[in-house]
Amino acid sequence: SAVISQKPSRDICQRGTSLTIQCQVDSQVTMMFWYRQQPGQSLTLIATANQGSEATYESGFVIDKFPISRPNLTFSTLTVSNMSPEDSSIYLCSVEVPPLAGASYEQYFGPGTRLTVT
Amino acid sequence: QKEVEQDPGPLSVPEGAIVSLNCTYSNSAFQYFMWYRQYSRKGPELLMYTYSSGNKEDGRFTAQVDKSSKYISLFIRDSQPSDSATYLCAMNELSGAQKLVFGQGTRLTINP
Repeated sequence: SAVISQKPSRDICQRGTSLTIQCQVDSQVTMMFWYRQQPGQSLTLIATANQGSEATYESGFVIDKFPISRPNLTFSTLTVSNMSPEDSSIYLCSVEVPPLAGASYEQYFGPGTRLTVT
Repeated sequence: QKEVEQDPGPLSVPEGAIVSLNCTYSNSAFQYFMWYRQYSRKGPELLMYTYSSGNKEDGRFTAQVDKSSKYISLFIRDSQPSDSATYLCAMNELSGAQKLVFGQGTRLTINP
C-alpha cells in the first residue's frame, strides 16, 4: 500500500484566483492521478501524471485550467486556475502501486482537498 | 448511458443485517473490479479487488463478479455501525497505468 497526504485539506477561495494542491507519497511511484469528486457525484479523472513527462488530460480538462507538476517520484501538484464556483469540489490524488508477485496494480487515494469557491 | 451504474441509495439497514451493494456496467472489456469505502470527509479506501469473474472473500466482505451479466456485487455480513460509509465500485480494462471508471457510490448507514 501507500500513505498519501494532501495539502491543504480544505480551502475557501474567491473566484478568479488560483489554488495549488500538493500531494506527497511515502514511497516512490511511477503513476499518479488527479481526480475530482463533485458533491453527490462519483470520481472523475482529471489527468495522469508521470514523472519526467507532461501530464495526460482527460476529455473536458485542459492544462491551462489544471496545470500539473510532477518533479519527482513522490510528489505532485495540481493547480486549479481562474476559479469559479463550478470548481467547488473535492480534489483527490491517487497513486498506483506495482503488484506483488501474482497480484495486480492497485490504486490508493489521498484524503482529498475540499475546495469551495465563492 | 453511463459506463458504470450504481444505485446511490441511501441505504439504511439494522446492525447485523446482510448488505448487498451492486453495480452494472456496459463495457465488456472491463476485467478488474474494485470496491472502495469512503468515510465522510475522507479519501476512498481500497476494500476489495477482483479480477475477472468469480467470488472473493475477505472476512465479512464478499465480492462477486458476473461478467456475462456485466454485474458486480459486494456483500457485507454481520454489518456493523462502523460499516456506515459510501461504497464505490470501480473498474478498468487492464492492470497498470489505467484510469479507473467509478460508479456513483452508494451511501450506506448501519443502525445500531
